[in-house]
Amino acid sequence: ILNVEQSPQSLHVQEGDSTNFTCSFPSSNFYALHWYRWETAKSPEALFVMTLNGDEKKKGRISATLNTKEGYSYLYIKGSQPEDSATYLCASSDWDSSYKLIFGSGTRLLVRP
Amino acid sequence: GAGVSQSPRYKVAKRGQDVALRCDPISGHVSLFWYQQALGQGPEFLTYFQNEAQLDKSGLPSDRFFAERPEGSVSTLKIQRTQQEDSAVYLCASSLEAGANYGYTFGSGTRLTVV
Repeated sequence: ILNVEQSPQSLHVQEGDSTNFTCSFPSSNFYALHWYRWETAKSPEALFVMTLNGDEKKKGRISATLNTKEGYSYLYIKGSQPEDSATYLCASSDWDSSYKLIFGSGTRLLVRP
Repeated sequence: GAGVSQSPRYKVAKRGQDVALRCDPISGHVSLFWYQQALGQGPEFLTYFQNEAQLDKSGLPSDRFFAERPEGSVSTLKIQRTQQEDSAVYLCASSLEAGANYGYTFGSGTRLTVV
């Protein structure tokens, strides 16, 4: 059974600040790591899917890294904007059930103007 | 359609009532998933369909929960004799292929409140 942990639980930053969150997951039998952004009253939106150790992905001001050997991923947001305010979820899957995402509880980000 | 559509958006049910939640996935998406998100927690896996076949229902919390996808497109999650602990957001997601190399496309969810 996978256990995915995210920290911090919530984060308040000022517009323009850069920030990062952590996702930890069991490293054995690892298959893939997903990041989603979930804005209130909307659908969770896929940000990244990462599978390889050392992977780094970038989408605008948001980037993510993956360490499968030690079982963690970081999500970075450079120059936070109020529209970045959302809950950021990570989810992991393993080779036994590669389709089954096990989610963390999320990091709730609030960016103050 | 352009995205995954779920209905109703909100549902209030009296304890003991049966409910049915609908999911319209993206056309052509083979894989369909249901997740349950309780307050303050991350989404939890309920069940997985590949076309019309339900390949994994290990996450369904009890035999009161039943999901179907008879023609391999629209799916319905049914909850019989609802209980207060069933109150949650129910998310549906679809994906082009099985396996998790693709990000899933989620619907906006159905918020179920059992009173």
